[in-house]
Amino acid sequence: GDSVTQKQGQVTLSEDDFLFINCTYSTTTYPTLLWYVQYPGQGPQLLLKVTTANNKGISRGFEATYDKGTTSFHLQKASVQESDSAVYFCALDNTGNYKYVFGAGTRLKVIA
Amino acid sequence: NAGVIQTPRHKVTGKGQEATLWCEPISGHSAVFWYRQTIVQGLEFLTYFRNQAPIDDSGMPKERFSAQMPNQSHSTLKIQSTQPQDSAVYLCASSSQNTLYFGAGTRLSVL
Repeated sequence: GDSVTQKQGQVTLSEDDFLFINCTYSTTTYPTLLWYVQYPGQGPQLLLKVTTANNKGISRGFEATYDKGTTSFHLQKASVQESDSAVYFCALDNTGNYKYVFGAGTRLKVIA
Repeated sequence: NAGVIQTPRHKVTGKGQEATLWCEPISGHSAVFWYRQTIVQGLEFLTYFRNQAPIDDSGMPKERFSAQMPNQSHSTLKIQSTQPQDSAVYLCASSSQNTLYFGAGTRLSVL
């Protein structure tokens, strides 16, 4: 079945550090790939979404590129801020019906 | 736009009691989803409705769990005879223009 792997359970950075969160996926087709962010006490909210048509997503300074060759969709940000502290989920949508498969999540803690 | 509204935010039940969770999707959204979130399993798909009709309930435990959408303005998730392993955050989401919008969730604690 479809799966999404995020191996980094927690990442701790200082403000202005570079962020890289690893995400790989496994599926039989070319899915839509997404990153969601969840702040404490809130539900996940869409950060960015990429389809096979556009390959790269950019939002609020975050960037992710769809790499079919390595089946990866890593999340990057050049300079993190304390307000970026949250849990980040990678997800794939292989059905077009929003029955997403989520990764385990990566908790980002940014120290001022 | 108030977003997806879930009530209650927190629910505590005793083992064996029934729990009903409510969701009000964003007005105009045609699809409603239920997910469950735990530390161990992460975010798990449970079920979804489109235009109030049940489309896919493949993630729902076969016993004790049921979901309904009696009208376009609300959906319910009912858990009968709750067990400690049902403790989780239950998230409702609605969709429009290929984007899923989640509510803040209901944290269910079964003692």
